[in-house]
Amino acid sequence: EADIYQTPRYLVIGTGKKITLECSQTMGHDKMYWYQQDPGMELHLIHYSYGVNSTEKGDLSSESTVSRIRTEHFPLTLESARPSHTSQYLCASTRGGGAGEQFFGPGTRLTVL
Amino acid sequence: TQLLEQSPQFLSIQEGENLTVYCNSSSVFSSLQWYRQEPGEGPVLLVTVVTGGEVKKLKRLTFQFGDARKDSSLHITAAQPGDTGLYLCAGADSASNTGKLIFGQGTTLQVKP
Repeated sequence: EADIYQTPRYLVIGTGKKITLECSQTMGHDKMYWYQQDPGMELHLIHYSYGVNSTEKGDLSSESTVSRIRTEHFPLTLESARPSHTSQYLCASTRGGGAGEQFFGPGTRLTVL
Repeated sequence: TQLLEQSPQFLSIQEGENLTVYCNSSSVFSSLQWYRQEPGEGPVLLVTVVTGGEVKKLKRLTFQFGDARKDSSLHITAAQPGDTGLYLCAGADSASNTGKLIFGQGTTLQVKP
């Protein structure tokens, strides 16, 4: 079973609030990812990281930012949430090499009113 | 740009029926994974196929990787209500060391009792 955690699981907030979605993994994986997913739809990569102090934007443009100060921790921040940010946010990690399997957290369901 | 086309997008069948989900691309992948996702949860890895022509079985699920490593299929025999979920295929980019996966659009499967 994958050891990757996300908090909170559910978040309902008002427009303009600043939020941080937490993601932690205990597997020592160097590469971590953030995806955005609408219900029942495909995953869109919004950020990824090769390791500490490395972050890159993904294929889908996002107003969120990420940081990677520690290997196990990859938080995502929205400075000013809007209703268009309402979605499910999934965090994943993978070890270097291998066949590329990614291990996913349970996700954070964000609703911005 | 690498793309994975998944079909069908939606499938509603009766318990006991067989089904096949397809994942096709014009690009070659070094490996391909299949994930299953339940509502409100993150995707869970089912299988990874690496070798062209490879066939893997997981109880009632049979996965096949095309000879040219451009396509894959998932066949479920005697589907059960517990198989209900979103099935996602994902390809690993052989030319990149980013660990990024290319995801298909997903197939929503509903198995009615």
